[in-house]
Amino acid sequence: DGGITQSPKYLFRKEGQNVTLSCEQNLNHDAMYWYRQDPGQGLRLIYYSQIVNDFQKGDIAEGYSVSREKKESFPLTVTSAQKNPTAFYLCASLRTGRSGNTIYFGEGSWLTVV
Amino acid sequence: SQQGEEDPQALSIQEGENATMNCSYKTSINNLQWYRQNSGRGLVHLILIRSNEREKHSGRLRVTLDTSKKSSSLLITASRAADTASYFCATDAEGNNRLAFGKGNQVVVIP
Repeated sequence: DGGITQSPKYLFRKEGQNVTLSCEQNLNHDAMYWYRQDPGQGLRLIYYSQIVNDFQKGDIAEGYSVSREKKESFPLTVTSAQKNPTAFYLCASLRTGRSGNTIYFGEGSWLTVV
Repeated sequence: SQQGEEDPQALSIQEGENATMNCSYKTSINNLQWYRQNSGRGLVHLILIRSNEREKHSGRLRVTLDTSKKSSSLLITASRAADTASYFCATDAEGNNRLAFGKGNQVVVIP
């Protein structure tokens, strides 16, 4: 089945550690996104990539890094510089169409600092 | 970036009742979309309404768009317990591939 796969579903990070969240899509979409969601809150854009080997900062990029070496993959690294990383992280890709662009989401990854 | 804002934030209704939630935005848009999120899951696209459309239906969903007031409403008719979720609106500004999401409406349907 086509879709977006995020892993791991649950991740624990110690203070000072970097962790990487995986996101893979087989939808052949060019654009991919990483969002952060805090409990009871909306989505905030961390980074996005319109095409391979290109990415831009979103609204809350500090403390995060990404790469886009392949069309299918858009991993997110949460660095030790991110002081409050505990959150739900959502990866998404964009389907473009004449009637409008719609976003497809993965199932999310929970990151907890211990 | 623009932000959609849903109102009310939380809604609790009995099964079979209708649920209505609203969303406002601040700038010109190409279209407005509604997404649904079950607890601890990813968002799922429900319906898209273009800026030149005023109303759209999809099954038990009815979406309206008033571009003069920069607002949209989502109506779920004959609600079911399985409709319990958070509902988000998202706007697609002209010439921009960044969808801006609102804070979400939590809907609880009591069986």
